[in-house]
Amino acid sequence: EIVLAQSPGTLSLSPGERATLSCRASQRISNNFLAWYQQKPGQAPRLLIYGVSTRAAGIPDRFSGSGSGTDFTLTITRLQPEDFAVYYCQQYDVSRTFGQGTKVEIK
Amino acid sequence: EVQLVESGGGLIQPGGSLRLACAASGFPFEDYAMHWIRQVRGKGLEWVTGINYNSGRRGSADSVKGRFIISRDNAQNSLFLQMNSLRSEDTALYYCAKSFDSGIYYNSPIDSWGQGTQVTVSS
Repeated sequence: EIVLAQSPGTLSLSPGERATLSCRASQRISNNFLAWYQQKPGQAPRLLIYGVSTRAAGIPDRFSGSGSGTDFTLTITRLQPEDFAVYYCQQYDVSRTFGQGTKVEIK
Repeated sequence: EVQLVESGGGLIQPGGSLRLACAASGFPFEDYAMHWIRQVRGKGLEWVTGINYNSGRRGSADSVKGRFIISRDNAQNSLFLQMNSLRSEDTALYYCAKSFDSGIYYNSPIDSWGQGTQVTVSS
């Protein structure tokens, strides 16, 4: 099983700041089969990024994904009030597993 | 607009069985792989099981293998999860979810989720 470790657990930032979230895999992820999801309280997750760096439909360009192999990053430039949420990475290379999540909270 | 509406959750005793259903609309259900994903309240996400567009192939997490069975009825635009030998650790919110770009359940991200149905396993 590929284990995904996300860091930090919680990120405290102010609106307008830049958020950098990390996702590290226990083994190499092939074919860029890595996605990022956003989840707000009481809501289902929403697909943000797939294939490491491709934004899903309707996702603002302040969200970007990067990385390869075992290290991946989700960057949110200029945090908006609606961006404060929990973010999960997910690999869909070998079966599928999720990271434990990073909470982005208002400082 | 994709809509996925789960039903069938509830309180069940350990060792019992439960069948979840998901009614899909807003897309050609027969063309897409589907999944069940669960989330313990306040915790992370766990993929449970997935099925190809034509039921030709399925996969599941080790934690539910031999106990949970995923199935679908393309004529009724419905997805099901038969849950047997339930344990307390199966207590979670169960989401029905749709694959993004493929009829196969693997190697494709998930792009749509229902609102979930709560399953509580307790005596």
